[in-house]
Amino acid sequence: EVHLEESGGGLVQPGGSLRLSCAASGFTFGDYRMGWVRQAPGMGLEWVASVFTNGGTVYAASVQGRFSISRDNSQNTVSLQMSRLRVEDTALYYCAKYLGGDCSDGGCYSLGSWGQGTLVTVSS
Amino acid sequence: DIQMTQFPSSLSASVGDRVTIACRASQTTSTYLNWYQYKPGRAPRLLIYAASRLHSGVPSRFSGRGSGTDFTLTISSLQPEDFATYYCHQSYTDPWTFGQGTKVEIK
Repeated sequence: EVHLEESGGGLVQPGGSLRLSCAASGFTFGDYRMGWVRQAPGMGLEWVASVFTNGGTVYAASVQGRFSISRDNSQNTVSLQMSRLRVEDTALYYCAKYLGGDCSDGGCYSLGSWGQGTLVTVSS
Repeated sequence: DIQMTQFPSSLSASVGDRVTIACRASQTTSTYLNWYQYKPGRAPRLLIYAASRLHSGVPSRFSGRGSGTDFTLTISSLQPEDFATYYCHQSYTDPWTFGQGTKVEIK
C-alpha cells in the first residue's frame, strides 16, 4: 500500500526558510514522478512543484526562484526547500505521487496518492 | 495558464440523489482532466482520471465524462460518505491548475 508522510512544517517569519520532507513507501519510488500541492486557509488546491524520474523539475510561477524540489531515490524521499517565504505561502502542503502507467490519454499525470499534509504558517 | 471553472460552487442534496458537477476549461485539456474528493483533515482522494477512468477502489457510483473543455463528474446515488468538496484538475499543460471546488452538503 502506498504511504506518503510529510514533515517539516511549522511557524516561520516572513523572509525565512523551511524544508519540507515526504517519506514514501509501498511502491518503487524511483519509477514515479512526485509533486507538492498546497491549500491555503479557506482556499482551493494549488499545485506547487513536481520532480520527474530523471530529476527534472517544474514550478508554479508563484514559487519559481524561491522554492526548490528534489528527490533522493536512495532514501525514498522528496523534499521542498522553501526560502524567502511570504505570508501568502501559509498553507497545508501535501506530497503526492503521480498515478503513472498509461500516458496515452493523460491518465499517468493525475495524482494517485496523497499524504495527510504538513502545515506551514508564515507570520511575524 | 488554463483557468478551470467549476459549477456550482456548492450544492445541497439528499442521500440517494443524483448529483452532477461541471468543470469548464478556458482552453482544451484533451482528456487530461482529473477529479478529486477532499474532506478536511484527510488526504485528497483521486476519483476519476483521464476524464472518465475510475481510479482503483472508487465506487462505481462515481463517473466522469467529457473531453476538450467541458467535463462532468456524476454521483449516481449520493451516499453519506460522499458529502465533501470536489475539485477538477487539468494536467495537460504547466502550470497545472485546479477548479475552485464544489462543496456537496447535506440537504
